[in-house]
Amino acid sequence: DTGVSQNPRHKITKRGQNVTFRCDPISEHNRLYWYRQTLGQGPEFLTYFQNEAQLEKSRLLSDRFSAERPKGSFSTLEIQRTEQGDSAMYLCALFRGAGELFFGEGSRLTVL
Amino acid sequence: LAKTTQPISMDSYEGQEVNITCSHNNIATNDYITWYQQFPSQGPRFIIQGYKTKVTNEVASLFIPADRKSSTLSLPRVSLSDTAVYYCLVVGNSGYSTLTFGKGTMLLVSP
Repeated sequence: DTGVSQNPRHKITKRGQNVTFRCDPISEHNRLYWYRQTLGQGPEFLTYFQNEAQLEKSRLLSDRFSAERPKGSFSTLEIQRTEQGDSAMYLCALFRGAGELFFGEGSRLTVL
Repeated sequence: LAKTTQPISMDSYEGQEVNITCSHNNIATNDYITWYQQFPSQGPRFIIQGYKTKVTNEVASLFIPADRKSSTLSLPRVSLSDTAVYYCLVVGNSGYSTLTFGKGTMLLVSP
């Protein structure tokens, strides 16, 4: 069965602080995606992994963002020196084939 | 990448059939068409996927014309709980791609 756990669900931080989000798939899935979503917009692609390899990263992603998937299972997304514009929902999704993405509940970031 | 275009919003009443059309003019031969539903503060949820003609599941139907440049998600007899944002997403069969969402269609179902 497919499931995705994301932590923390909510994070409030001050501008300039670093934050890290974690995505834990319940079962093995080769391909894992990260998206960012702001109010009124569709999910915006950030990056994706095939196993532990990061295959593509959005050009919109600044150098302050980094993602890892060290053993091809869980993944982390770190934002350094947060800015107010980073406030958004960060979504992790697993690709199940035939176009189906299975999303987690997301991690909501608020930067004060 | 196949760019998608959908109406920003639609209104309906309970019990009506709702059809949401998505335009994807530059869809490639091997691309699939998928639709997602999203409620506030939740991740999108996969609804249905198709390649051509018609696909039906327990939730919705998906109609795809022969030229595949558009697709229509059909929700039969909507209820208040169908109020959500609906996204169409074109996915390459190879899978190795950035799966890019558009802005979606906000469907409001009223009593």
